[in-house]
Amino acid sequence: NAGVTQTPKFQVLKTGQSMTLQCAQDMNHEYMSWYRQDPGMGLRLIHYSVGAGITDQGEVPNGYNVSRSTTEDFPLRLLSAAPSQTSVYFCASSNARTLDYNSPLHFGNGTRLTVT
Amino acid sequence: GENVEQHPSTLSVQEGDSAVIKCTYSDSASNYFPWYKQELGKGPQLIIDIRSNVGEKKDQRIAVTLNKTAKHFSLHITETQPEDSAVYFCAASKRGQNFVFGPGTRLSVLP
Repeated sequence: NAGVTQTPKFQVLKTGQSMTLQCAQDMNHEYMSWYRQDPGMGLRLIHYSVGAGITDQGEVPNGYNVSRSTTEDFPLRLLSAAPSQTSVYFCASSNARTLDYNSPLHFGNGTRLTVT
Repeated sequence: GENVEQHPSTLSVQEGDSAVIKCTYSDSASNYFPWYKQELGKGPQLIIDIRSNVGEKKDQRIAVTLNKTAKHFSLHITETQPEDSAVYFCAASKRGQNFVFGPGTRLSVLP
């Protein structure tokens, strides 16, 4: 049981490049989400999904796209990387089927992204 | 929307002493409050949580207390050990809302 797996662990991009951060979970969780972590700012929600085919924006969605074609996978796409997107990105999942049920998050180990 | 503040931002204690981290929240409708521990290079891991119908919860050396009237909740770690050194995050949520996290507290346990 691997939990939440994120790849890659590290990535360096040039401004304007695009890339996809991968996230997969093997716990059959309906809820998945992406956070970015910046010093002194805690974890800020980028996008989330309450099930396959359903996605919604979080607090800081600009510059990022997501899709959820399967229960297991929730990739995060950077369309045109900017230095302001330098951060550590975490994927998290929970067994909450809707936002009406609060259930603890299970986090991956993160992707450290640097945009030069 | 919900706003979560967390204090202190850094905390150093001697091994064996207690550590207390406090969070305040703004939305009185919030009803679920988890605490996460993040070790270097890892993702946050849930260590304890509390729901609004409970005032205190304990798990071995870790306890969380909730004061709904004052809208604050605290993490208490007793008999601290070097492996307790990490960054700790509090969070708050309510029905229909995603989690809102505090900015984190870096705890150092000095041998």
